[in-house]
Amino acid sequence: NAGVTQTPKFQVLKTGQSMTLQCAQDMNHEYMSWYRQDPGMGLRLIHYSVGAGITDQGEVPNGYNVSRSTTEDFPLRLLSAAPSQTSVYFCASRTGGLTQYFGPGTRLLVL
Amino acid sequence: GIQVEQSPPDLILQEGANSTLRCNFSDSVNNLQWFHQNPWGQLINLFYIPSGTKQNGRLSATTVATERYSLLYISSSQTTDSGVYFCAVEQGGDYKLSFGAGTTVTVRA
Repeated sequence: NAGVTQTPKFQVLKTGQSMTLQCAQDMNHEYMSWYRQDPGMGLRLIHYSVGAGITDQGEVPNGYNVSRSTTEDFPLRLLSAAPSQTSVYFCASRTGGLTQYFGPGTRLLVL
Repeated sequence: GIQVEQSPPDLILQEGANSTLRCNFSDSVNNLQWFHQNPWGQLINLFYIPSGTKQNGRLSATTVATERYSLLYISSSQTTDSGVYFCAVEQGGDYKLSFGAGTTVTVRA
């Protein structure tokens, strides 16, 4: 199993550009989520999904969009990038209420 | 929302030393996990421990759910234990893990 994979590893955007961060898992997990991590802070939940076709907002959803058309994929879209979205983004997946697995992260810099 | 406080914020250890990290949470939880973020940024799950005690090698964890805290013990620390340790909790099966700010551990040879 590859586990949770994320692409790209690193991205530089200009203010106002849009982009999609990709996340995929091959463990057949129902639950997937996106977090952002800023210096000196823990991870904050952006959006999550409990299954294909079902998504919901987390703690910091503004400026981000998600969709879940398949069990495996959970892309995160930045609609119009802002410098405040400079961060490290982690995708995670798990089954039921148990252990959560994280992807390697995407470092995003918005100029 | 639920508050998660971790202490201490920073910890410097000499190789071979033991240490205890603490996680306090403000409300009842049905899920508590400890994670280690290594210096390369990778997050690894250490324990799923909503209550009770677990051990994995030199690491062990105890959660006292009725008193709303969890402890992570590192024994005979090694330089590879360096990184940030996060506690994360979830209430009522809402699938929203809330993270503490972490404890940064530096183990010196």
